Amino acid sequence: QVQLQESGPGLVKPSETLSLTCAVSGGSINSYYWSWIRQSPGKGLEWIGHIYFTGTTEYNPSLKSRVIISVDRSKNQLSLRLTSLTSADTAVYYCARQQQLDVWGPGTTVTVSS
Amino acid sequence: DIQMTQSPSSLSASVGDRVTITCQASQGINNYLNWFQQKPGKAPKLLIYDVSNLETGVPSRFSGSVSGTHFTFTISSLQPEDFATYYCQQYDTVPFTFGPGTTVDIK
Repeated sequence: QVQLQESGPGLVKPSETLSLTCAVSGGSINSYYWSWIRQSPGKGLEWIGHIYFTGTTEYNPSLKSRVIISVDRSKNQLSLRLTSLTSADTAVYYCARQQQLDVWGPGTTVTVSS
Repeated sequence: DIQMTQSPSSLSASVGDRVTITCQASQGINNYLNWFQQKPGKAPKLLIYDVSNLETGVPSRFSGSVSGTHFTFTISSLQPEDFATYYCQQYDTVPFTFGPGTTVDIK
């Protein structure tokens, strides 16, 4: 059964860049879409974007200028890079499989603070 | 962006009650509509996809339906483990968007 696990720094300073990784185990990253979603108390659940295993991406226009999602098929993992962080980016970040979001990681909390 | 509205925002119910939550899309979404359950400190869990299809392993007391752009999620007989927050989500048009959630708590 496929499992996802997010990892990354829990605390990041304003204006810096966030880098998160989602490791996929128990299954291949091939043949699926993979999404990043975040959840903050102020904005609820927000879809950040997704990537097909081939590398094709779509992003939320509200974040498009600051976000890059990539996939490393050799490591069976996907990554999220979010630049120019502000306190508004403080959230729990999740990765999930497929457009139906049928499998989720447990999430990783990111706090943007100096 | 497609706006998803949910009602009610919260409700109180007892074990055994029938619970209904509605979700409205601001435009057509071709029935690409999911329902999720989230418990505190946990990731959302997919319950229903494409309006009415039950995800594998999800109890049959959960169901979904649609009339136009008006979607309904029903728990036929509320169980103790069902107290949680429920979200609808459309994945027809990027950016995929979620409703604000409905919290079901104990009466």
